[in-house]
Order: sequence, then C-alpha cells, then structure tokens
Amino acid sequence: ILNVEQSPQSLHVQEGDSTNFTCSFPSSNFYALHWYRWETAKSPEALFVMTLNGDEKKKGRISATLNTKEGYSYLYIKGSQPEDSATYLCAARGSNYKLTFGKGTLLTVNP
Amino acid sequence: DTEVTQTPKHLVMGMTNKKSLKCEQHMGHRAMYWYKQKAKKPPELMFVYSYEKLSINESVPSRFSPECPNSSLLNLHLHALQPEDSALYLCASSRNGLAGELFFGEGSRLTVL
Repeated sequence: ILNVEQSPQSLHVQEGDSTNFTCSFPSSNFYALHWYRWETAKSPEALFVMTLNGDEKKKGRISATLNTKEGYSYLYIKGSQPEDSATYLCAARGSNYKLTFGKGTLLTVNP
Repeated sequence: DTEVTQTPKHLVMGMTNKKSLKCEQHMGHRAMYWYKQKAKKPPELMFVYSYEKLSINESVPSRFSPECPNSSLLNLHLHALQPEDSALYLCASSRNGLAGELFFGEGSRLTVL
C-alpha cells in the first residue's frame, strides 16, 4: 500500500508571492506521480503526470519536479493569484497501477 | 466533450433505501473509476473498470455494487447503507487502461440518514 504525504496541510499567501508544496511517496515500486488542482465546487483537474526521475514540467506559472530515488515531488507556483486558490492533490501510482492520493494542500491566495 | 458528468449532485437516503449514482463520459476513455472522499481525507479508490471489466475492487462492502453497462457509463448501486457511508463519491475516467491522468466529475454528495 502506497502512503502519500503532502505538506503543508494549508497555506495562506499574498497575491504575487511565490510558493511551493511537497509530496512524498515510497520510492519502491513507483510508476507515476500525478498533481491535481481541485477548486471548491468543481472537479479535480490534472496538472501534471510525471514518471522519470529528474522530470520537470511547467504549465504557465505552475511547475513541478520529481525525484523518484528519494521519493518526493515539489509543486511551485510563481506570482500566486487569487484564482490559484484551491486544494492541490498529489497522487502516486505504483506498479499495480492503483493511484493513491495524499490529503492535499489547501492554498489560499489573498488579494 | 471533455467532461465527466455525475448525477445526482446531491442524494439523501435512508438506510433501507436503494439508490444509484450515475457517471457518464463521451471521451472514448476505456477505464472508469469510483473514489470515495470523506472530509479532510484523501480520495480513496473503490472500484476500477478497464475495458468494461471490473479490474480492481478495493474490498468494498457489498452494499456498494458497481456496474459498467457500456464504455461510456458507470453506475454505483447503493443498498442498505450506513450513516458512515456519507461522503463525496467521485467518478473518473482515463484514456487507455489504468495509466495516464484521470478526468474527474464534480462528485455526488451522499448523505445517509
């Protein structure tokens, strides 16, 4: 059973600040790491899927890195905007293809 | 169409009722999932259908019964539920089998009285 941990649980930043969160997962039997953004009253939306050690992906002001050897991924948001306020979920897929989610990081960006 | 549609959005049922949650996608995805999420907890996998066959059942109690009538539809039949089954039930799909990103619906909020 994969144990996926995310930190911090919640985060308040000011508009324009840059921020980052962490996702840690067991490095054995690793297959892929997913990041999702979940806005209130909407559906979770995929941001990134990463598989290779050292992977870096970017979408606009958001980027993510992956270290499969030590079992962690960072999500970075540059110049946070109020519309970035959401819960950011990471999920790890093991060799059995099951996707296990962390509890998420709740980001609030104050104008 | 890039949506996963779940109905109903909200459902209140008694412990003796029989009800169903429905999920539909028209993206041609071949894997569909049910997740359960309780407050302040991560989404927990319940069932996965791949190419219309049940691939994963996470030891879910038999009062939850999944059904995949065709590649676009996924149902979750509910019977004799307990109050602790109250949660948000999320449906998702993915393109090819069990790998790749998930596309989620907005969820069905279930309350069991």
